[in-house]
Amino acid sequence: GDSVTQMEGPVTLSEEAFLTINCTYTATGYPSLFWYVQYPGEGLQLLLKATKADDKGSNKGFEATYRKETTSFHLEKGSVQVSDSAVYFCALSDGNQGGKLIFGQGTELSVKP
Amino acid sequence: KAGVTQTPRYLIKTRGQQVTLSCSPISGHRSVSWYQQTPGQGLQFLFEYFSETQRNKGNFPGRFSGRQFSNSRSEMNVSTLELGDSALYLCASSLDPGNQETQYFGPGTRLLVL
Repeated sequence: GDSVTQMEGPVTLSEEAFLTINCTYTATGYPSLFWYVQYPGEGLQLLLKATKADDKGSNKGFEATYRKETTSFHLEKGSVQVSDSAVYFCALSDGNQGGKLIFGQGTELSVKP
Repeated sequence: KAGVTQTPRYLIKTRGQQVTLSCSPISGHRSVSWYQQTPGQGLQFLFEYFSETQRNKGNFPGRFSGRQFSNSRSEMNVSTLELGDSALYLCASSLDPGNQETQYFGPGTRLLVL
C-alpha cells in the first residue's frame, strides 16, 4: 500500500542554519503531497503542498519540490528561526482513496538561539 | 472565517465506557475526516464523510464509528474503551473530498482512558 517515510529526528539546528527534512513516498497512483507542521499542544497546520510532478510548494520560507523520478518531497528552508521549532509531517493523498492522508512518522525540529 | 472546532478538548474515561467526540468544520466545507494520533502509531486515518455518507474507512475495529449531519458537523464514537484508545483525535475538513483538496485540522480532542 501507499506509504511515506521521513528522516528520523530529532533534528537540532542553530538559528539561521539551513534545514532539510527528507521525505520519500510509495504510491500506486498520482498522489498530492503535503507538509504539515504541529506546534506543541496544537493540531496540524498546512505548511505547503504540491499536486503534480515538478510542482514546487512554498510558504513562510519553506520549500519542497515534487520529484516523481525519485519519489521525494524534501522540505527545505534557508535560514531557520527559533519559532520554527515544531514537529513536521510529510503526507500524501492518493486520488483513489478520496481525501485520505497517509502521514510519515514526523520529524521533530529544535532550533537553538 | 472560523477554523475547525472540536469539543471537548480534553476527556478522561475509564475502560469499558464509551465516548462521543464532536467536530464542526470550516463554514462551507462539506468533507470531514478523522485521524488518531499516538506516540507509537503516529497519525492514522479513521474515516472520511461527505454529504452524510462515509466514503472511506481506515483499519480500525468496529468499536470506532462516526456520522455526519446535514450541516456537515461530524461526530465520532468509540465504544467499550480500551487503554490503547488513549490518543489525540484530530478532525479535518475540506471543501470537497479529493486528493488535491487541502484538509484543515482542528486542535484535537485528547482522550485519556484509565
